[in-house]
Amino acid sequence: EAEVAQSPRYKITEKSQAVAFWCDPISGHATLYWYRQILGQGPELLVQFQDESVVDDSQLPKDRFSAERLKGVDSTLKIQPAELGDSAMYLCASREGQRNTGELFFGEGSRLTVL
Amino acid sequence: AQSVTQPDIHITVSEGASLELRCNYSYGATPYLFWYVQSPGQGLQLLLKYFSGDTLVQGIKGFEAEFKRSQSSFNLRKPSVHWSDAAEYFCAVEGGFKTIFGAGTRLFVKA
Repeated sequence: EAEVAQSPRYKITEKSQAVAFWCDPISGHATLYWYRQILGQGPELLVQFQDESVVDDSQLPKDRFSAERLKGVDSTLKIQPAELGDSAMYLCASREGQRNTGELFFGEGSRLTVL
Repeated sequence: AQSVTQPDIHITVSEGASLELRCNYSYGATPYLFWYVQSPGQGLQLLLKYFSGDTLVQGIKGFEAEFKRSQSSFNLRKPSVHWSDAAEYFCAVEGGFKTIFGAGTRLFVKA
C-alpha cells in the first residue's frame, strides 16, 4: 500500500541550530501539505503545495521557516534557526488533487525537540 | 474563515459502552467534514467523511457520524467501544482548498 514517507522520525537539536525534514508523498499526488502539531493540539497548516507551486504559506513563519518542492514530487521543510517553541510533530500529508472526494494521507511525522 | 471546535479535551468510557465525540464547525458554505484518528506517535488516519447526500455516514472500525446543518455539528459515534479505540480523534473541515483541524479529543477506554 502506498504511503507518505517522512524522515527523520525523531530529531533533537539545540536552539539556534538548523533542522530539515523530508517528505515523499504518494506517487501521483499533486497536492502536498506540511502541518505542525504541538503536543495536545490539532495539526496546524504551515504550507500547501500544488505541484511545485506554493498555494498557501500564510501561517509559515517565514523569518525562520522555508519549504520547497522543486520538482513537484518530494518536499523539504527547513527551520533556521530553531527555537524552543518549535518543538512539535511535523506532519506531511498529500492528496491526489487540490480538492476531491478523497482524503488527506498522512506520514508518520517527524518529532522535533529543541533544547 | 472556517473553524472547528471539539468541546471535550478527553473522554473516558468503559469497554463495550457507547461513544459520542462532539464536533462543531463554522463555515459559510456547505462544508466537507472529516473525522481522523491518531494513535500515539503516529500520523492521522481517515475514519470517515461527509461531502453531501445522506447525513449519516459510515466509516471504518464501526464508526459513524451524523451531519446536522441546523446545529453546525458532525458528531462521531460508536455503539460499542473496544480497548483498541483508545487514541486521539480529530474533526476537520475543508473549505477554500484548506483543511482545518479541531484541537482533538483524547479517548481513554477502561476495562
